[in-house]
Amino acid sequence: GAGVSQTPSNKVTEKGKYVELRCDPISGHTALYWYRQSLGQGPEFLIYFQGTGAADDSGLPNDRFFAVRPEGSVSTLKIQRTERGDSAVYLCASSLRPDGYEQFFGPGTRLTVL
Amino acid sequence: KQEVTQIPAALSVPEGENLVLNCSFTDSAIYNLQWFRQDPGKGLTSLLLIQSSQREQTSGRLNASLDKSSGRSTLYIAASQPGDSATYLCAVSHTGKLIFGQGTTLQVKP
Repeated sequence: GAGVSQTPSNKVTEKGKYVELRCDPISGHTALYWYRQSLGQGPEFLIYFQGTGAADDSGLPNDRFFAVRPEGSVSTLKIQRTERGDSAVYLCASSLRPDGYEQFFGPGTRLTVL
Repeated sequence: KQEVTQIPAALSVPEGENLVLNCSFTDSAIYNLQWFRQDPGKGLTSLLLIQSSQREQTSGRLNASLDKSSGRSTLYIAASQPGDSATYLCAVSHTGKLIFGQGTTLQVKP
């Protein structure tokens, strides 16, 4: 079956612009996660959804970051007023359930803010 | 606060060698521990998942162990091959989310 997909694979934007990153989880997976990975570092947790609701958004760095999952499947990570420090690879993962189930990752979106 | 550390940060070995990658974590209250592989510019591929009640998992030439009480896990790779060259990440599942180490970058020389 299809794995986790993310679009776009690469996004280049200018400082101050708004961007949206999309994640399509594995069909039937109720939990969806967003992580951010800077060069040479391990991924850092941003937010996770159980169904349509954000179960834990403690990793979002500030209020410029927001994510939605309106129908419990596809999720969009939204970044307002982008800054150069937002440049990173944004990874999405899904699991059948939260809390102890294996997480499967997408290929990531590389965001570059000029 | 849960912290995950991986040692060494980088490792270079000749082909055919057996090797061990180390992962330690500070809070033993975990659901599970996952080992991932990441190739340059790519996403994460799950290698092994060890539930908190388990001691080890095996897949082919890979064997991962978990000692929750001491906060340690090891990934053993037998008979290493150049195709094993990648960054290996461990992550603990803590209140739903994964907390990652910084990874060990492995180079296997032909």
